[in-house]
Amino acid sequence: DAGVIQSPRHEVTEMGQEVTLRCKPISGHDYLFWYRQTMMRGLELLIYFNNNVPIDDSGMPEDRFSAKMPNASFSTLKIQPSEPRDSAVYFCASSFRDRGKLFFGSGTQLSVL
Amino acid sequence: AQTVTQSQPEMSVQEAETVTLSCTYDTSESDYYLFWYKQPPSRQMILVIRQEAYKQQNATENRFSVNFQKAAKSFSLKISDSQLGDAAMYFCAYRSGYSGGGADGLTFGKGTHLIIQP
Repeated sequence: DAGVIQSPRHEVTEMGQEVTLRCKPISGHDYLFWYRQTMMRGLELLIYFNNNVPIDDSGMPEDRFSAKMPNASFSTLKIQPSEPRDSAVYFCASSFRDRGKLFFGSGTQLSVL
Repeated sequence: AQTVTQSQPEMSVQEAETVTLSCTYDTSESDYYLFWYKQPPSRQMILVIRQEAYKQQNATENRFSVNFQKAAKSFSLKISDSQLGDAAMYFCAYRSGYSGGGADGLTFGKGTHLIIQP
C-alpha cells in the first residue's frame, strides 16, 4: 500500500493568495483527518470526515479555511486568502474503523510570505 | 476536554541504554485509547505503540513498551537498547473510546525530543 499521499510537500506563497493542499487516503479507510503542526501550538485537529461527510470542523481556525472530500479517495484543504500566521506543516491522516490508529501522510510545509 | 501533557521537552540517552519518556493525561472518560507516535526528521508521523484503557496489561512492541497507570493517568514509554534510528520527536496522544461528535480525533501532547548519543 502506498500510504497516505499528500501534495505538495512544500508550498511557498504570498499573503493573500489561495492555497490548496491535497490528500489521498489509504484505500478502504473511512476516516480522514486534517491536522496542523506549529512549534507554538503543536498538533491541532482541524477537521475530520467519516465516509466523506464532515463530522467536526470546530478546529478550523477561521472562515478562510475550508475542506472538502468529494469522494473516498481525495480530500482538499483550502486557505483563501492565506496569511503569514497560516505557515505550518499540514498533515492528512486516515484510518479504518479502529479510528485511533491513524496513518499519516508526509505533510505539506506551508510558508506564507 | 481531554489534555495530554509531556513534561520533558528533551531527553538524551546513550546508544544501547534504556530511556523512559513521560506522559500524563486528564480525562473524565473511562473508555479511551493512548498512543505514542514517533516523528523523525523526515516529518512522517509513525505509530509506535497503542494501549486500550480497558486492558490492564501493558502494551509491548519489540524494544518499545509502556507503563500504563490508569489511576494515576500516566502513560510512559520505555525504549530499551536505544538505537541511533530512535532519534526523533515522540508524541503521546489520547483518543476517546466514544465515537462521533468530534470524539474521533487524537489529542496530542507537545512532544519530547529524544537525542541518542553514540
